[in-house]
Amino acid sequence: DAKTTQPNSMESNEEEPVHLPCNHSTISGTDYIHWYRQLPSQGPEYVIHGLTSNVNNRMASLAIAEDRKSSTLILHRATLRDAAVYYCILRDGRGAGGTSYGKLTFGQGTILTVHP
Amino acid sequence: NAGVTQTPKFQVLKTGQSMTLQCAQDMNHEYMSWYRQDPGMGLRLIHYSVGAGITDQGEVPNGYNVSRSTTEDFPLRLLSAAPSQTSVYFCASRTRHANTEAFFGQGTRLTVV
Repeated sequence: DAKTTQPNSMESNEEEPVHLPCNHSTISGTDYIHWYRQLPSQGPEYVIHGLTSNVNNRMASLAIAEDRKSSTLILHRATLRDAAVYYCILRDGRGAGGTSYGKLTFGQGTILTVHP
Repeated sequence: NAGVTQTPKFQVLKTGQSMTLQCAQDMNHEYMSWYRQDPGMGLRLIHYSVGAGITDQGEVPNGYNVSRSTTEDFPLRLLSAAPSQTSVYFCASRTRHANTEAFFGQGTRLTVV
């Protein structure tokens, strides 16, 4: 499985934008880039995913580098509720019809602290 | 639509006891997984399944058994609990497509004394 590298921790102030980086230099052409976050004492929750183009949803934006070797999760206005561990994960879509293999593995993620 | 349901939420076991952590999903997802998370650590994959009757080992399978007799259920069995298995356990489910999200349960906090 292609690996991802994220900073151990980042800090932000409330209502400021946050850019969380992820390096995935060994990404393959069929790997989808997924982001999850884990709030304290909760299970992980999906944030966003993309393949080649930048993506936006109600929670965040995902900016993918042109060579796909890195990506950035953007929280446009951080709130205290956004304090969590953020995980960047690659999912291989090489299977028929874009199916993935069974494993979904997590790295250490980035601990985001948001200051009031 | 309940999503992924784990039971129990909390459990205390004595060393050597056995128990089963339950996980059920009502989204007809093909893939299900079990993870453990130790304090201050990321999630480590224990076992996973790509469909009823098919299971495989993850990173840390020792001391755990799984089976997948139905699409909905994926129980995790601890045969002889050890203090090293004290952890928070998460179950997840997703479709087989790489461009869809995974759903996680709220976790089971297990303490082995």
